[in-house]
Amino acid sequence: EPEVTQTPSHQVTQMGQEVILRCVPISNHLYFYWYRQILGQKVEFLVSFYNNEISEKSEIFDDQFSVERPDGSNFTLKIRSTKLEDSAMYFCASTGTAGEETQYFGPGTRLLVL
Amino acid sequence: GNSVTQMEGPVTLSEEAFLTINCTYTATGYPSLFWYVQYPGEGLQLLLKATKADDKGSNKGFEATYRKETTSFHLEKGSVQVSDSAVYFCALSVRSGGGADGLTFGKGTHLIIQP
Repeated sequence: EPEVTQTPSHQVTQMGQEVILRCVPISNHLYFYWYRQILGQKVEFLVSFYNNEISEKSEIFDDQFSVERPDGSNFTLKIRSTKLEDSAMYFCASTGTAGEETQYFGPGTRLLVL
Repeated sequence: GNSVTQMEGPVTLSEEAFLTINCTYTATGYPSLFWYVQYPGEGLQLLLKATKADDKGSNKGFEATYRKETTSFHLEKGSVQVSDSAVYFCALSVRSGGGADGLTFGKGTHLIIQP
């Protein structure tokens, strides 16, 4: 069964460093998403992406964040200068069409900023 | 704005007990409602969904009915198993016309089933 994959599974970085989280969505899917979950808190929507541009973004998704689909398979989330409060689990998701409401999630990347 | 409220956990039950996890929502427009489950060390998996009022979603013995009058989508299972131990998330999405709608999640309920 096709699945969304994410790398790395864990990343530790120093405050102020740039990190890139990678996702490979399901191959024929067209809509891509990033969410984050700070420890003990709810899963929060960050951004959605379609047709090589951002479709929707939340208040959390400020200028420190960017997304890119550099090739036909990868979907990345970049945090330019990490802060302590960026420590969280980051989930990627994808869905096939605009009418498809089921989002398929990856296993997540646990980011720890020291 | 949109929000989802679900009961706090952890919820601890014995095997074969009846399970209810409450979920209520507020939304602008007509949301679709979802339950996702997260097993230890894994990502979020869709458990069931309902897209309009009075629809019932069901999967793996779990059920939830979309109740517009009470803005609720409570998750139920008649007889839980140890393997049901996981974190359960209630979520909604509201069609905005753009197609790529983000989900709004509740905080999650940690369910622990004891043998």
